[in-house]
Amino acid sequence: QVQLQESGPGLVKASGTLSLTCAVSGGSISSSKWWSWVRQPPGKGLEWIGSIYHSGSTNYNPSLKSRVIISVDKSKNQFSLRLSSVTAADTAVYYCASAHIVVVTGHHYFYGMDVWGQGTTVTVS
Amino acid sequence: EIVLTQSPGTLSLSPGERATLSCRASQTVGSSYLLWYQQKPGQAPRLLIYAASSRATGIPDRFSGSGSGTDFTLTISSLEPEDFAVYYCQQYGSSPLYTFGQGTKVEIK
Repeated sequence: QVQLQESGPGLVKASGTLSLTCAVSGGSISSSKWWSWVRQPPGKGLEWIGSIYHSGSTNYNPSLKSRVIISVDKSKNQFSLRLSSVTAADTAVYYCASAHIVVVTGHHYFYGMDVWGQGTTVTVS
Repeated sequence: EIVLTQSPGTLSLSPGERATLSCRASQTVGSSYLLWYQQKPGQAPRLLIYAASSRATGIPDRFSGSGSGTDFTLTISSLEPEDFAVYYCQQYGSSPLYTFGQGTKVEIK
């Protein structure tokens, strides 16, 4: 069973860059999953940040695209998030998750974000 | 941009009662691309339903999903104590690629 674990600084200075890593265990990052980042501000709902495939293909939320870079490191079986020019509005619990998508003859079958990390709290001060 | 609106914001019910949660989309969502998650305090979301009506692995059959087009429903047939939580709907495919509703909290009456 795949498990995900986020790591990174819990405190980031305003205008700085937030950097988080998600370690994948119990499976390969080269499997057919889109590796994703989702965040949740205190007391609020969920916001998708972006996703990456092991090939390096990425999709980003347009509202964050100018500040986000998601990368994958196959040698370490992990993927990472960098969010630049952070403000207090970026304070949130950051989750990594795997999105299970199967493409058959061009049709996408989305089976959900089926594995999640426990989340890590990042505060921007 | 697609917007998912969940109602009610809070549902106050007793164990054993039936819960009906609504998710309305601002534009048509393919049934294959509407999902439901459960989140308990301090925990990550947990996938319940994919493709509008298919239960994820290990999800009890008291959870069911239905709907099409712009109107979708999550039903919990008889609430167990562990079902009191926040529930989110999610769509896949429209911009942004993934969108969540704002959530419905099911609380103990």
